[in-house]
Amino acid sequence: DAGVIQSPRHEVTEMGQEVTLRCKPISGHNSLFWYRQTMMRGLELLIYFNNNVPIDDSGMPEDRFSAKMPNASFSTLKIQPSEPRDSAVYFCASSSLSGGAYGQYFGPGTRLTVT
Amino acid sequence: SQKIEQNSEALNIQEGKTATLTCNYTNYSPAYLQWYRQDPGRGPVFLLLIRENEKEKRKERLKVTFDTTLKQSLFHITASQPADSATYLCALGGGGGADGLTFGKGTHLIIQP
Repeated sequence: DAGVIQSPRHEVTEMGQEVTLRCKPISGHNSLFWYRQTMMRGLELLIYFNNNVPIDDSGMPEDRFSAKMPNASFSTLKIQPSEPRDSAVYFCASSSLSGGAYGQYFGPGTRLTVT
Repeated sequence: SQKIEQNSEALNIQEGKTATLTCNYTNYSPAYLQWYRQDPGRGPVFLLLIRENEKEKRKERLKVTFDTTLKQSLFHITASQPADSATYLCALGGGGGADGLTFGKGTHLIIQP
């Protein structure tokens, strides 16, 4: 198994630009999570899906952030417009069944820098 | 608000000794607690899960305890090795039926040869 795949691995963009992060979960997993990690705030849950349906998006910082999961093998996290304070490492994770009751499997992350 | 505390200072342990990491939490009633390992530049790696009705869980050289009265978990690595050096994250989940995890900021463990 290839594990959770994220792209791009690194993204550098200018303030105001749209950024789209992509994630392919482990095949057979039906829970998908987006997290953001910074030195100041640690690892924070942004949103998660069960069976492609968004369950909890209370961690999404503001309306500039949106996430979709059109099918079981693909999810996107979009930031529009991006701001310097969005600079962080964004992780996607997947898990089987009711996600948190089982371990979550993280991708390698996307390091986003907004200048 | 929910709060998870892990020792923010690095923990230095001599090779071969037992490393013990602490995770304390407040304002939370988790259904389970998980421990992850994170190496620099990589995503967290799942190690162990312990449920609220379990006191202790073991996996090879790892042992986790969970005291819901004290609101504390202890994570032990026995016969520690330099390869165990990493940041270890505690995460809580299942409160209110939610599946998303709330993570502590982690403890950096250094095993010295």
